Amino acid sequence: QSVLTQPPSASGTPGQRVTISCSGSSSNIGSNTVNWYQQLPETAPKLLIYSNNQRPSGVPDRFSGSKSGSSASLAISGLQSEDEAYYYCATWDDSLNARVFGGGTKLTVL
Amino acid sequence: EVQLVESGGGLVQPGGSLRLSCAASGFTFSNSWMSWVRQAPGKGLEWVANIKQDGSEKNYVGSVKGRFTISKDNAKNSLYLQMNSLRGEDTAVYYCARDRWGFSGSYYYYGMDVWGQGTTVTVSS
Repeated sequence: QSVLTQPPSASGTPGQRVTISCSGSSSNIGSNTVNWYQQLPETAPKLLIYSNNQRPSGVPDRFSGSKSGSSASLAISGLQSEDEAYYYCATWDDSLNARVFGGGTKLTVL
Repeated sequence: EVQLVESGGGLVQPGGSLRLSCAASGFTFSNSWMSWVRQAPGKGLEWVANIKQDGSEKNYVGSVKGRFTISKDNAKNSLYLQMNSLRGEDTAVYYCARDRWGFSGSYYYYGMDVWGQGTTVTVSS
């Protein structure tokens, strides 16, 4: 059972906009910034979002992040087939004194 | 080229030990926090441990405290994870990652921006 809760799956058709939620608590998302990672099949994770809503250089602006209270979300607009991957939220938990990940969301492009 | 390369994985019996290594290149390793993250077969990502630039601060996930030790040798640009008293639930691909911090008036956590390719640890009799 992950400290951060994500839906196990999400889907959309090419061109659509999808959102993935990440729910935490006051000791993690509520008091620290959120990262999002993308993991393509059989590859290492890739940093997608930092500081809740900032994109590293090279990440398309189709990807956006937001945070409100103890929840965060990742939005992907103009869905493309290459976006099919697992997406993980992550943050620091002050109570556990540890970095925590969500359970991951498998995004399927129909 | 910024790169992390893990090694040391393998098959080990329950109760045994293993030492993972991660060789860094292309960036100033001595200025970097570093982390280990693992992924059990068919499961999600789990952060294992991190270590401060000079090794003076270390943090661990609860399930490995007292069994795993993270360390780094800045002279050798290398990160290590000593794993003792291994259990079946430690079976996973282990990734090393750079924990990057940024500065804009104050320090902020950027994220794990460089990852290795992973090394597989299998704990089984």
